[in-house]
Amino acid sequence: GEDVEQSLFLSVREGDSSVINCTYTDSSSTYLYWYKQEPGAGLQLLTYIFSNMDMKQDQRLTVLLNKKDKHLSLRIADTQTGDSAIYFCAESRSDYKLSFGAGTTVTVRA
Amino acid sequence: DSGVTQTPKHLITATGQRVTLRCSPRSGDLSVYWYQQSLDQGLQFLIQYYNGEERAKGNILERFSAQQFPDLHSELNLSSLELGDSALYFCASSVDGVELFFGSGTQLSVL
Repeated sequence: GEDVEQSLFLSVREGDSSVINCTYTDSSSTYLYWYKQEPGAGLQLLTYIFSNMDMKQDQRLTVLLNKKDKHLSLRIADTQTGDSAIYFCAESRSDYKLSFGAGTTVTVRA
Repeated sequence: DSGVTQTPKHLITATGQRVTLRCSPRSGDLSVYWYQQSLDQGLQFLIQYYNGEERAKGNILERFSAQQFPDLHSELNLSSLELGDSALYFCASSVDGVELFFGSGTQLSVL
């Protein structure tokens, strides 16, 4: 989706933190999402944040939202090999259609 | 397991043919969404149904159509298939329009 941009690749050492960044353009977005896609699998909803929130934490995942800069990030603490996947940022608007970024491929190296 | 079931998992067909992709939503979810994932276009929203009625339309070609049945399962019909229609087609369902749960997808290969 051209309205949502993400870097394409991230390589991280096992045990380190991963930070995946995303920018979006629609200031009327109501919810912002992070989905995970493993090879040959569907999209798994990891977490989402309402647009009036700044931060949301869920176990190893922390989402930060800077609404002024239209910037969303996902931090994965203590990254494991099972975290290797493609991570998609998505925004929804009043009609609840999701607009996805191109995905960030995260590779966890030992 | 998201609870959304899509069949078939893989489909191989020829140009000009017609295929039907099927989706069973999670129990209790009234909304069904169809998305197409391709290498060049990424994830694109196609269409949404809510309790049998079309709710929203995205980048869906005229050769494509969908419907949602009284039991809430949905079918996506793709006709006059072209090579460029080869993609992974996802169905998602939701009860509140906020959390969308995706199926594993149908991989369509048009030869």
